[in-house]
Amino acid sequence: DFVMTQSPDSLAASLGERATIHCKSSQSVLSSSSNANYLAWYQQRPGQPPKLLIYWASTRESGVPDRFSGSGSGTDFTLTISSLQAEDVAVYYCQQYYTTPLTFGGGTKVEIK
Amino acid sequence: QVQLVQSGAEMKKPGAAVKVSCKASGYTLSSFAMHWVRQAPGQSLEWMGWINAGNGNTKYSQKFQGRVTISRDTSASTAYMEVSSLRSEDTAVYYCARGSIQQLPFFDYWGQGTLVTVSS
Repeated sequence: DFVMTQSPDSLAASLGERATIHCKSSQSVLSSSSNANYLAWYQQRPGQPPKLLIYWASTRESGVPDRFSGSGSGTDFTLTISSLQAEDVAVYYCQQYYTTPLTFGGGTKVEIK
Repeated sequence: QVQLVQSGAEMKKPGAAVKVSCKASGYTLSSFAMHWVRQAPGQSLEWMGWINAGNGNTKYSQKFQGRVTISRDTSASTAYMEVSSLRSEDTAVYYCARGSIQQLPFFDYWGQGTLVTVSS
C-alpha cells in the first residue's frame, strides 16, 4: 500500500500568515504516461465531512479561494495557505489516487495563534 | 445542486451487521462512481471500497474484503454499504463520497456521515 505521511501533525499561525503542510508518499504518484501527479488535498472543518480543495497536486477545485495552492511532484507535495483566515481552521488531508487501496495522510491540524 | 444524504446514526452489538444508505440528488447516480470512506474517532480517513454505479461492479480494500458489501439501487438513486461481523474497532463515522467528474478516484462531494457505534 502507498503510505502517505504528513507533517507537521499540527501548526498554529497568526491571521494573515502563511501556513505550509507537507505530504510525502512512500512511492511515486507521478504517472509517466500522463505526466500527472495523482494527489488530492482535502479540508475537514470540525464536525463536517471533508471538502475537496486540490487535485492533480496543484489544480484548485472550483470555488476554492486562491490563497490555497498545491505544489510538488513524485513523492513530495506541499499545500500552502498564503494568508491564513479564521475559516481555515481545520484538519487537512492529502490522498493518493494513483492506485488502490486509495490512501490518506494522517492529517495536519491548523489553528490560529 | 449535488447532495448526498446518508441514513441516521446506528448503535449495534458486536457480531451484528449494519447497512448505511446514501441518497444522491442533483445528478444521475449511475453516471458516477460512489466510494465509501470511514473515520474512527480522532483518526484519519480510511477508504473501504467503491461501486461503479452504472454497471454495479465493486472493488474493496483488501482490509474489508469479505466483510463489506457495497450496492446500489439506481431507481432509488441510492447507494448502500453493509458491514457484517461488527467489532468495537468498527466504531466510526462512515461517509459516502462521489468519484470525481473526471472519473478518477478523488472525491468532489461527500455525504454528511453516519456514526456507527459498536458496543455491547
